[in-house]
Amino acid sequence: DQQVKQNSPSLSVQEGRISILNCDYTNSMFDYFLWYKKYPAEGPTFLISISSIKDKNEDGRFTVFLNKSAKHLSLHIVPSQPGDSAVYFCAASAVNQGGKLIFGQGTELSVKP
Amino acid sequence: EPEVTQTPSHQVTQMGQEVILRCVPISNHLYFYWYRQILGQKVEFLVSFYNNEISEKSEIFDDQFSVERPDGSNFTLKIRSTKLEDSAMYFCASSWTGGPGQYFGPGTRLTVT
Repeated sequence: DQQVKQNSPSLSVQEGRISILNCDYTNSMFDYFLWYKKYPAEGPTFLISISSIKDKNEDGRFTVFLNKSAKHLSLHIVPSQPGDSAVYFCAASAVNQGGKLIFGQGTELSVKP
Repeated sequence: EPEVTQTPSHQVTQMGQEVILRCVPISNHLYFYWYRQILGQKVEFLVSFYNNEISEKSEIFDDQFSVERPDGSNFTLKIRSTKLEDSAMYFCASSWTGGPGQYFGPGTRLTVT
């Protein structure tokens, strides 16, 4: 099941610079997309989401962009901070599926001081 | 800040044994979920639960699995006869609306030997 894909297993960024995490999906029935952050030995923590009727959602340092025609979304973190170092999961859900989230494989972000 | 809690944090069991993983969702949430993450793989949806019944389940959630909300606070996942391949992190999640913004617990690491 590869409905949601994160093709970069890892990303390293300098503190203060922009981090861009990418996600692709195949199911055109997805109507909501989310980003979760996960530290080791903890559960995923909700970060930011976007409805399929929008193309951008911003919350502080975090912005999610959605390109429906390309079936692509990205998470921008600016400026990146060492505390942002974690695994970031892209997830998607489709209406009438009981809230089921389909996750990508995750991208491990390392922000170096 | 309210949070989802899970017990135990780590469960070791022998193949063929029954295990019950416990979760206390956020108190005013109405929708409950179980996910699992096998080491090195993506987070996978198992089941969603609302109004005392399963609303959606995945192919993984076969007859060996069951869920229950035995009282007003706990939400449990039972695996009747564990297999080696059931070894994984199991995450409970809950939400107020049944939409995609789910809050995850810290997980239970299940090790089947």
